[in-house]
Amino acid sequence: EAQVTQNPRYLITVTGKKLTVTCSQNMNHEYMSWYRQDPGLGLRQIYYSMNVEVTDKGDVPEGYKVSRKEKRNFPLILESPSPNQTSLYFCASRTGTELNEQFFGPGTRLTVL
Amino acid sequence: AQSVTQPDIHITVSEGASLELRCNYSYGATPYLFWYVQSPGQGLQLLLKYFSGDTLVQGIKGFEAEFKRSQSSFNLRKPSVHWSDAAEYFCAVLNTGFQKLVFGTGTRLLVSP
Repeated sequence: EAQVTQNPRYLITVTGKKLTVTCSQNMNHEYMSWYRQDPGLGLRQIYYSMNVEVTDKGDVPEGYKVSRKEKRNFPLILESPSPNQTSLYFCASRTGTELNEQFFGPGTRLTVL
Repeated sequence: AQSVTQPDIHITVSEGASLELRCNYSYGATPYLFWYVQSPGQGLQLLLKYFSGDTLVQGIKGFEAEFKRSQSSFNLRKPSVHWSDAAEYFCAVLNTGFQKLVFGTGTRLLVSP
């Protein structure tokens, strides 16, 4: 089944404790992206990747890192999480053709205490 | 910069009644527009998209949307709502460089018996 998977689905952590949220897709998509969803703000892009080893900042990249060493994986790294990073995070992927549909993962709900 | 406005935060509709969710966009050129649905605890699923051509677009689950350039709108409609349609609905526009979707803040649909 074609899908985007994220792990963990739920995470509660404390300020300053490094964490990684994994994202993996099995559709051989070139493009991958991370969004965060906050009440009243919709979804905002954090980082995106056009292909392996090619990443770029989105609208809200502060406090996040990403890497794209393999085509299928696009982990989101929070080196020193803070409470303002408490949010619902979505990973998405699509083919290299810009007008194709983006497929979204199920989301990761992160709480930083 | 591109933007999307969804003026209704919540809408309640009786089961079997018709539905219209409003979406207005700000974009200088021909917009590429999308409607996504997010069911509770789920990721985002594409309902329909508009790129060009016929301004009335048919999607999945009985939804349709009409692109009106003169009004900068892309409203989502359904003639008869089912209880399973209760969810949050997001309108989005693809940005100029095609690197991201710019989302509205979402409309939460409640369906009453």
